Amino acid sequence: QSALTQPASVSGSPGQSITISCTGTSSDIGAYDYVSWYQQHPGRVPTLLIYDVSSRPSGVSPRFSASKSGNTASLTLSGLQADDEAYYYCSSFTTLSTVLFGGGTRVTVL
Amino acid sequence: VQLVQSGAEVKRSGSSVRVSCKASGDTFNTYGFSWVRQASGQGLEWLGGIVPFFGAPEYAEKFRGRLTISADESSNTVFLDLTRLRSDDSADYYCTRAVGFCTGSTCHSDFYYGMDVWGQGTTVTVS
Repeated sequence: QSALTQPASVSGSPGQSITISCTGTSSDIGAYDYVSWYQQHPGRVPTLLIYDVSSRPSGVSPRFSASKSGNTASLTLSGLQADDEAYYYCSSFTTLSTVLFGGGTRVTVL
Repeated sequence: VQLVQSGAEVKRSGSSVRVSCKASGDTFNTYGFSWVRQASGQGLEWLGGIVPFFGAPEYAEKFRGRLTISADESSNTVFLDLTRLRSDDSADYYCTRAVGFCTGSTCHSDFYYGMDVWGQGTTVTVS
């Protein structure tokens, strides 16, 4: 199984909104609503931002929102802040009863 | 809830490693757990998952045959056993617990739900 496809990098200015895409297939993202997003600052343990396509755990800022259409999921960061500089990973359950991660997207705040 | 993993390991190629992950706090056996690794400077890679109550783990295809994930309900501990180690197995290994859905005092999840609790990571170096 190949990793889900994410852009290597996305950048934006403070206060702007950016969107990170995560493209899979009909055997993963397109098959289930078990898409999650994670944030990882360099040298830190990843943290969960989004689960079940668009649900936020308690404590996660509403500036993070997500959706899915067909085989592609998207994460939007609104009101970009300096602390949003990090790596972002998507993941999805698959029809093989496995979990696939995306390759990760580095977000830079200009 | 916390996941506390065992310490760093240095192994020779061809040998095996066991990493443990002890869960504290909530109900243990009805939650899903996964193992995720990250090589230096690389992305996240899912190795496998388990719900202790059901016992039957699932594995990523590339690890089948040399990976075993198990759980000991008496000690609230999940284990990863990886055999025939290679240099490209050198990575930080993370134990994770999936988001739980609770009815009253009973919570449950499956390993493929979002991973909302992460262990501190265990560095495995294969030389």
